[in-house]
Formats: sequence, C-alpha cells, structure tokens
Amino acid sequence: SAVISQKPSRDICQRGTSLTIQCQVDSQVTMMFWYRQQPGQSLTLIATANQGSEATYESGFVIDKFPISRPNLTFSTLTVSNMSPEDSSIYLCSVEGSGTSTDTQYFGPGTRLTVL
Amino acid sequence: AQSVSQHNHHVILSEAASLELGCNYSYGGTVNLFWYVQYPGQHLQLLLKYFSGDPLVKGIKGFEAEFIKSKFSFNLRKPSVQWSDTAEYFCAVTRFSGGYNKLIFGAGTRLAVHP
Repeated sequence: SAVISQKPSRDICQRGTSLTIQCQVDSQVTMMFWYRQQPGQSLTLIATANQGSEATYESGFVIDKFPISRPNLTFSTLTVSNMSPEDSSIYLCSVEGSGTSTDTQYFGPGTRLTVL
Repeated sequence: AQSVSQHNHHVILSEAASLELGCNYSYGGTVNLFWYVQYPGQHLQLLLKYFSGDPLVKGIKGFEAEFIKSKFSFNLRKPSVQWSDTAEYFCAVTRFSGGYNKLIFGAGTRLAVHP
C-alpha cells in the first residue's frame, strides 16, 4: 500500500482564519479523497480529487468552504476556509491502491484541527 | 441512500473472550465491503475486505468476517481477543458513483479489552 503523509498533524486556529492541509503520497495515484471525522463520529467524504480536473464535492460540502488543489499525481491540499468551532475535526486524505488493490482506499494519519 | 449500520457503539471484553461486531448495509447492488481499524494514536488501517468469492474472509491479526448477502451483513469476528485489539473498528461499503468508488462508513465500534 502507498505511504501517505499529512501536514500539519494538528493545529489550533482562531475563528475566521483558514488552514491548508497537505497530503503527500509516495507513489503516483489517480484518485485522492478527503474525509472529515468530527469528534465521536464516523468518517464523512468531503470530496474526491482527480488530477487535472476539478474536485467533486459531496452533498453538504462546497468549494468555497473547502477548496482543494490537485497539482500532480502525488500531492493534494485541502483548505478549510473561514473556520468556525464546528470545523473542529480530524481531516484525512486517502488514496486508492494500485494494481489489484485499486478498489481499496488507504488513509493518511490525519490532521487534528481545533478551532477556537 | 446507501447506509452502513454498526449495532454496537461500545464493547468491553476481557482477554480471551470471543468478539463479534455487527455490520449491516442498505444497498441492493454489488458491494465491496471493508473493515478498518484505528488503534489509539494511530491512523486508520485496513483490517480485511470482501469483493467476491468465498464469503468468509480472513484479515490481519486473526480477524475474519463473513458476508451474508441475504442478511446484508458483514460481521467481524475474532475467537480470542487480546488487550492489543483495543481500538475503534469501522465497517465500510463502497458505492460506485460519478465514475469511482466512494466509501460509506458506519459509525464505528469502540472496543476495550481488559487484561
């Protein structure tokens, strides 16, 4: 499986500011995904990022709030804009496996965000 | 809408006890099924998966899961748990939409194993 890293691992931010989370993969992947895990809850897909095209957002998530970049096949960023305390969550990126594992997603370590 | 239900939110067991975590999904088509585990302080890891074939699949660390199509279930089992199995367990189903597979997660089950 791919090795996925995320930066920062955690941050504490003030209301109204923005934070950009980076996701780096050690191999080229077509699909990258961004998830949110709110405190005590399960993972919810925010959007899917395919290199060379606009990200596709799930219901309840919009580009103005969560802009995503996907400049190449190993890197993506998610920005959480104009943050409020309700945005306090763990944000995770994932990628599809390669070869016979393209239907399996592998996850990064997550970014724990606290908004004050 | 497709959903995944995990019946137990918190499970407490003693070491050597048997484990079964329930998972049901609501989708009538072909599904890929997964169990992921998140150990304390660690990231989400794949425990096992089912795509097709033998409905009894074996994963890492002695875990197995059985796909029962008629019951829309994919329960996770381990005959004898260890303290190191303390973690949160997530069942997930893929839904093919927009040209790719999207993972739908259950709410998760927190397992605490006491020595």
